[in-house]
Amino acid sequence: EIVLTQSTGTLFLSPGERATLSCRASQSVSSSFLAWYQQKPGQAPRLLIYGASSRATGIPDRFSGSGSGTDFILTISRLEPEDSAVYYCQQYGNFWTFGQGTKVEIK
Amino acid sequence: EVQLVESGGGLIQPGGSLRLSCAVSGFTVSSIYMSWVRQAPGKGLEWVSVIYSGGSRYHADSVKGRFTISRDSSENTLYLQMNSLRAEDTAVYYCATFRCGSCPFDYWGRGTLVTVSS
Repeated sequence: EIVLTQSTGTLFLSPGERATLSCRASQSVSSSFLAWYQQKPGQAPRLLIYGASSRATGIPDRFSGSGSGTDFILTISRLEPEDSAVYYCQQYGNFWTFGQGTKVEIK
Repeated sequence: EVQLVESGGGLIQPGGSLRLSCAVSGFTVSSIYMSWVRQAPGKGLEWVSVIYSGGSRYHADSVKGRFTISRDSSENTLYLQMNSLRAEDTAVYYCATFRCGSCPFDYWGRGTLVTVSS
């Protein structure tokens, strides 16, 4: 099983700042089958990024993904209040596993 | 428009059984890949089960032998039969779709809460 470890805890940031979230895999993620999801309280996860760097339909270009192999990054530039959420990485190249999540709070 | 609506959750005693349903609209349940994902209260996401368009099924080790995923094309519904339930199965259960064997989950339902407690 591929274990995904995300940057721990909560990021406290202000509107307009940049958020950088990391996700490290215990072994190489094949063909960059790495996705990022956003989850707000009481809601289902929403797909943001797939293939490590491709934005899903309707996702603003403030969200970008990068990385390959075992190290991946989600960047949210120009934070807005509605970006407050928990963000999960997921690998889907060998069944499916998720990271433990990183919470972003916009103060 | 693709819509997934889960139902069937509730309070159940340890050792009991429950069947969750996911009513699908916008596509045919047998033509796409579907999965169940759960989230324990205050915790992260855990993949539970998958059924491929061709009918192959797989389950996570934590539920293997106790849970069974299935689908009914006439009802256009996905199911999760859960037997021998344990306290650690308490979670919100989501159904989700993905377009190919190596694709992310692109549509999710709103989830149904299962609570296993005496």
